Amino acid sequence: DAGVTQSPTHLIKTRGQQVTLRCSPKSGHDTVSWYQQALGQGPQFIFQYYEEEERQRGNFPDRFSGHQFPNYSSELNVNALLLGDSALYLCASSLAGAGRTDTQYFGPGTRLTVL
Amino acid sequence: GDSVTQMEGPVTLSEEACLTINCTYTATGYPSLFWYVQYPGEGLQLLLKATKADDKGSNKGFEATYRKETTSFHLEKGSVQVSDSAVYFCALRKYGGATNKLIFGTGTLLAVQP
Repeated sequence: DAGVTQSPTHLIKTRGQQVTLRCSPKSGHDTVSWYQQALGQGPQFIFQYYEEEERQRGNFPDRFSGHQFPNYSSELNVNALLLGDSALYLCASSLAGAGRTDTQYFGPGTRLTVL
Repeated sequence: GDSVTQMEGPVTLSEEACLTINCTYTATGYPSLFWYVQYPGEGLQLLLKATKADDKGSNKGFEATYRKETTSFHLEKGSVQVSDSAVYFCALRKYGGATNKLIFGTGTLLAVQP
């Protein structure tokens, strides 16, 4: 049973560039959430996708956008990169409708460095 | 708003010592509570969870009890190993409506020395 996978593992960009990160959820899961983890901090919720729509969004600017595909995989796009966007980006998958038994499972993350 | 507060680290212990990492939360309603662990250079792994008051989550010798009266979910282990060295995150999640995200504490670094 494949877990959550993310690509790429590492990425180096310069300020002002755009980046796309990818996530494939755990088999059987239909919901994908994205988190940003700055160095030494806990993960912060960016947004969540279900049925190819953004269902909930955290306190992140519009430069952060996403997409979910029919196979439930997802992309996170960040435009006009800033130095402060350097972080570990984590994808988590879960199953909608599982209620209180639902659990989010995380991928290994993509380390983004903005120079 | 909802939040999670963890004890600051690092926590440094000798092998076979007892571990307690404190976690308290602030939330309306009845959240589920989680402990996640992050090993160096890796993503988060679910360690244990509890979905209602007085539930005890346990895994790999770790355990935590959901205490609604004290709004706490402290992580405990009777005898730590070097391989337990990692960062531990306490988190809460509420269900229903549009609220479906995990809210994390800042993490506690545990270093176990042989």
